[in-house]
Amino acid sequence: ETGVTQSPTHLIKTRGQQVTLRCSSQSGHNTVSWYQQALGQGPQFIFQYYREEENGRGNFPPRFSGLQFPNYSSELNVNALELDDSALYLCASSRTSGATDTQYFGPGTRLTVL
Amino acid sequence: AQKITQTQPGMFVQEKEAVTLDCTYDTSDPSYGLFWYKQPSSGEMIFLIYQGSYDQQNATEGRYSLNFQKARKSANLVISASKLGDSAMYFCAMRVLPGNQFYFGTGTSLTVIP
Repeated sequence: ETGVTQSPTHLIKTRGQQVTLRCSSQSGHNTVSWYQQALGQGPQFIFQYYREEENGRGNFPPRFSGLQFPNYSSELNVNALELDDSALYLCASSRTSGATDTQYFGPGTRLTVL
Repeated sequence: AQKITQTQPGMFVQEKEAVTLDCTYDTSDPSYGLFWYKQPSSGEMIFLIYQGSYDQQNATEGRYSLNFQKARKSANLVISASKLGDSAMYFCAMRVLPGNQFYFGTGTSLTVIP
């Protein structure tokens, strides 16, 4: 196990609702990244937080937002849920935000939007 | 543009044999990291091996080795002495510093046959 935890494990929401997913990073890691993995596809980078600031973002609309707290845990918020938001959401932490730093993933939150 | 390509959707290997999973990448940035992850059906991404763009030698981690050919922009994963528990999806990924993005390929499904 990596020491990265995510909650909840599974979640069912309806279209138009809002959702908050949570992630606790591995001890000693100050960088958290979030990914969306649709069924049968590779993960897509949503954004990264380093020391409570967003310092990288993928091609996702503004209704995907996040926070990082002083203890380096993080939240992913998605507003106005759409059916296509149904996916596995993965959180990963790394020691720093450097390009060569390994990311360690949590078990994921499976979101279903009806 | 940054891109990771995995051209083998599915691979089969006999138990105890070696297998090579292909990965090519595209980036114009001189500093990048290349990673391989294993994703069992449970969904968690498990880190296997890392290769830095400036590393002179190929990375090895137990039964995993990374065949890094920089001029050809390839980073193939070699698994020696395959085990039944190696059956999973395998993702190649690249991390570049500008934008702090982590790019994943589409994955290769490996099945180990007894």
